[in-house]
Amino acid sequence: AQSVTQPDIHITVSEGASLELRCNYSYGATPYLFWYVQSPGQGLQLLLKYFSGDTLVQGIKGFEAEFKRSQSSFNLRKPSVHWSDAAEYFCAVWMYSGGGADGLTFGKGTHLIIQP
Amino acid sequence: DAGVIQSPRHEVTEMGQEVTLRCKPISGHNSLFWYRQTMMRGLELLIYFNNNVPIDDSGMPEDRFSAKMPNASFSTLKIQPSEPRDSAVYFCASAPGDSHPYEQYFGPGTRLTVT
Repeated sequence: AQSVTQPDIHITVSEGASLELRCNYSYGATPYLFWYVQSPGQGLQLLLKYFSGDTLVQGIKGFEAEFKRSQSSFNLRKPSVHWSDAAEYFCAVWMYSGGGADGLTFGKGTHLIIQP
Repeated sequence: DAGVIQSPRHEVTEMGQEVTLRCKPISGHNSLFWYRQTMMRGLELLIYFNNNVPIDDSGMPEDRFSAKMPNASFSTLKIQPSEPRDSAVYFCASAPGDSHPYEQYFGPGTRLTVT
């Protein structure tokens, strides 16, 4: 069964510093990979996605992620964080089963705290 | 576009009562998903529909949970009878289906508290 691991439950970063959130997946083939962000009391917003092609993908709000097949990783990065980036971040995997749309498998999330 | 709409946003009920959560997907999307989010288990897929037909309900925790999608613009998730362990945030998401089944758009969620 596919699984997604986000090893960091909490991460604290100073405003203006760079950020990297880790994500590893377990799946027999190359999955479709996603990062979502959830602000307090809100739903999930899609930050970026990877399907194929260039392994470095750009998303909204200045985020990017790099797919590394050899490491089964899809880490999220941002060169300079803003206080408004404080939120919960979820990595997710979608597996095509041939039967149509399937649900996403989510990691447990990483809570990002921004220090002034 | 109004996005995915869920109601109510908050629900507080007593154990044993019936609870119905509602979802209106984005117009034109033909896939709909129900997820549950808890601190202990994170985000879990409960059930999803393609063209109003339930495809996989293996994530539904037990028979107390049921979901319906009577038409392309409306779905319900019902819990009867509710229990305190059902307290969670329930999210509905929709996707364009055949063209982009993986691009799921989430609603704001319903926070359910069962006392």
